[in-house]
Amino acid sequence: EAGVAQSPRYKIIEKRQSVAFWCNPISGHATLYWYQQILGQGPKLLIQFQNNGVVDDSQLPKDRFSAERLKGVDSTLKIQPAKLEDSAVYLCASSVRQGSTDTQYFGPGTRLTVL
Amino acid sequence: AQTVTQSQPEMSVQEAETVTLSCTYDTSESDYYLFWYKQPPSRQMILVIRQEAYKQQNATENRFSVNFQKAAKSFSLKISDSQLGDAAMYFCARTRGAQKLVFGQGTRLTINP
Repeated sequence: EAGVAQSPRYKIIEKRQSVAFWCNPISGHATLYWYQQILGQGPKLLIQFQNNGVVDDSQLPKDRFSAERLKGVDSTLKIQPAKLEDSAVYLCASSVRQGSTDTQYFGPGTRLTVL
Repeated sequence: AQTVTQSQPEMSVQEAETVTLSCTYDTSESDYYLFWYKQPPSRQMILVIRQEAYKQQNATENRFSVNFQKAAKSFSLKISDSQLGDAAMYFCARTRGAQKLVFGQGTRLTINP
């Protein structure tokens, strides 16, 4: 079974530029998550999708971040314009129900450096 | 605040020995799950083990086992016969609701040959 795919693996941009990340979840996983992981910290949830609908985007800085999941499969996360503090690893995860909770499976992440 | 605390920023162990990583958490939920994830330098978070709070039996996956103390809200990970490939950041996490995870700050584990 293929895992969660993400691209690109690395991205370096200047501040105020825009950037987009792509995620393809595990086949059949209805729930998709985007996390931001700043160096030395645990992942922080940015947005959660159930199929193509947003379940939780309370931690998403909506003035600069946007995300979509068209057709309920692939998802893109965009930052426009980027700030220095956006330098982080962006992780995508998808989940499947096991028992009474979902178990999340993560992609390899995209390391973003904003100069 | 409902948090997850990993009090050991770094740990090291000799190859083939046993190491225990600590995790405590806070929650107001009666039914929840706990997880340990491993994040090697490649950055991919890999599920190591999960524990259902209503089960008293501690989960085990090969060389990895947990010591779950529900009353103390403690969830430690024991790695037996440590191998060089176990070197990574380890994150403890608990569920919030049915689908969300709250992560700790992580413990960096070094394996000394």
